[in-house]
Amino acid sequence: QSALTQPASVSGSPGQSITISCTGTSSDVGGYNYVSWYQQHPGKAPKLMIYEVSNRPSGVSNRFSGSKSGNTASLTISGLQAEDEADYYCSSYTSSSSQVVFGGGTKLTVL
Amino acid sequence: EVQLVESGGGLVQPGGSLRLSCAASGFTFSSYEMNWVRQAPGKGLEWVSYISSSGSTIYYADSVKGRFTISRDNAKNSLYLQMNSLRAEDTAVYYCAREAAMALRCFDYWGQGTLVTVSS
Repeated sequence: QSALTQPASVSGSPGQSITISCTGTSSDVGGYNYVSWYQQHPGKAPKLMIYEVSNRPSGVSNRFSGSKSGNTASLTISGLQAEDEADYYCSSYTSSSSQVVFGGGTKLTVL
Repeated sequence: EVQLVESGGGLVQPGGSLRLSCAASGFTFSSYEMNWVRQAPGKGLEWVSYISSSGSTIYYADSVKGRFTISRDNAKNSLYLQMNSLRAEDTAVYYCAREAAMALRCFDYWGQGTLVTVSS
């Protein structure tokens, strides 16, 4: 069982917006603003999309945004495009010895 | 251009050992903290180990503590993962990942991964 809880799958039509949640505890998501989101296409390495809850690295589309409330972080993708279809993982720094915890991943399907 | 290239994966019997390498280029390797992250076939990401830029601070996931050893050679721009007492559950693609300078335990560049298969 993954330390952070994500929905297994979400879907949306092109142009729509979707939100993926990531629920942890006060020892990770709720306790620190060190939540990251990664996009992974099949057979490829993960790509950083969001860091420190809501910051986008250079080159990442502004259609991707992040937020956090309490122990739950969220990734929102607006104006869905076919190329957004991928697996998405959240991660957080944690005060436990494990240092980093990942969510189980969410498969995004663009209908 | 930042590049991370892993090597050393392969098929190994349970109880065996393997050493992974990650060759870094395109950035000042000695200034960055590095990590190993793995992904079992069809499964999610699992953080494995961290090493500070100087190599003086190291952390491991509980699942590999006592069996895996992370190290680096800043003169050779290389990161390593020595894996001993391998188990079937260690079967995964192993990625080396650079820790972003701007955020804690956030990985801004990843290698393409190297597959480790533990099976008899």
